[in-house]
Amino acid sequence: GNSVTQMEGPVTLSEEAFLTINCTYTATGYPSLFWYVQYPGEGLQLLLKATKADDKGSNKGFEATYRKETTSFHLEKGSVQVSDSAVYFCALSLVQKLVFGQGTRLTINP
Amino acid sequence: DTAVSQTPKYLVTQMGNDKSIKCEQNLGHDTMYWYKQDSKKFLKIMFSYNNKELIINETVPNRFSPKSPDKAHLNLHINSLELGDSAVYFCASSQGENRDGYTFGSGTRLTVV
Repeated sequence: GNSVTQMEGPVTLSEEAFLTINCTYTATGYPSLFWYVQYPGEGLQLLLKATKADDKGSNKGFEATYRKETTSFHLEKGSVQVSDSAVYFCALSLVQKLVFGQGTRLTINP
Repeated sequence: DTAVSQTPKYLVTQMGNDKSIKCEQNLGHDTMYWYKQDSKKFLKIMFSYNNKELIINETVPNRFSPKSPDKAHLNLHINSLELGDSAVYFCASSQGENRDGYTFGSGTRLTVV
């Protein structure tokens, strides 16, 4: 079946550190890939997306590249801020269904 | 204007009661969804409707009954609430093949006591 696996959290970093959150997927077709972010007490917001292999999604300093050969979509940011503290979800969309990874809680300390 | 709005935001109720959560989207999307987020933050699809027709029902107990009066609304009715139903329920909508992602509501935190 279709599934998404993210690195286990929680992840704690200092401000201005480099961030990577790993995400790999299993899919029977050619999914679109997404990162969603959930700030404390809020709903999910689309952070970035990529719809085909080698596409790079980017937003608010975050980037992720759709790697078909490694079935990965790792999230990166060069310099994190305290305001980036949230739960991050990797997801794939296929056959009218969005399948999420288990989420990674990120905490950034000043 | 809120794109996907859910009411209520919080719902506390006793076991055995029946409750409803309402969802409306003003994006003109043709597909709407209900997701459940458990205490560990795991998100799982429950239902999806396309133009008022049920297209996905992910082995949800039949105590849960979605209703879509039109393509802009998808309500969730829950009968005989159980402690294990406590969770955050998210409504979402999308258009076409979903390659642009879904738009989520802000969630309804249901607590069954």
